Amino acid sequence: KQEVTQIPAALSVPEGENLVLNCSFTDSAIYNLQWFRQDPGKGLTSLLLIQSSQREQTSGRLNASLDKSSGRSTLYIAASQPGDSATYLCAVSWGTSYDKVIFGPGTSLSVIP
Amino acid sequence: NAGVTQTPKFRVLKTGQSMTLLCAQDMNHEYMYWYRQDPGMGLRLIHYSVGEGTTAKGEVPDGYNVSRLKKQNFLLGLESAAPSQTSVYFCASSLRPAGANVLTFGAGSRLTVL
Repeated sequence: KQEVTQIPAALSVPEGENLVLNCSFTDSAIYNLQWFRQDPGKGLTSLLLIQSSQREQTSGRLNASLDKSSGRSTLYIAASQPGDSATYLCAVSWGTSYDKVIFGPGTSLSVIP
Repeated sequence: NAGVTQTPKFRVLKTGQSMTLLCAQDMNHEYMYWYRQDPGMGLRLIHYSVGEGTTAKGEVPDGYNVSRLKKQNFLLGLESAAPSQTSVYFCASSLRPAGANVLTFGAGSRLTVL
């Protein structure tokens, strides 16, 4: 069964720290992987999309890496800020069709000023 | 830039009541989806649509019905609400299938069934 997990469920760090969020998935034959941000009471906002042929993607202070062989992706946030506080979810696709996207439960990040 | 708009944002129902959630998108997207989000479980696909006039079941379709009479609107209906349907519901849309394209989400609709 294809599953996506994210550990830890919650993380608290002081402002300015670099941090890593983890996403693990079964079945290494993925099509792509997306990282989303969700603010309280809001919808999900796409941050980065990594295709299966890529090893990483970068956007500003965010860097997402993909290691299919180990079934892992990491989201690296540099120089964290209080505004980064949110829940971060990863979503894995094993094909191009609608029902092949599975979301992880998310990691709730708090950046303490 | 409205994107994806969901109404209502909050609703409280009694067991057995019915209601409809409306999702509207102004991006001319073909694909639309309804997800539910429960604590610790991530988002699960309820129903989806690949174009005007089409609907199909997702992972957890029981107790829900959908319709897509217009390309920009995707309605999610609960005919007889149950406490197990207490959740936050998200609508999303995409230009191409979800597995191949970035999803644009609405802000969510929080439903409580007493």
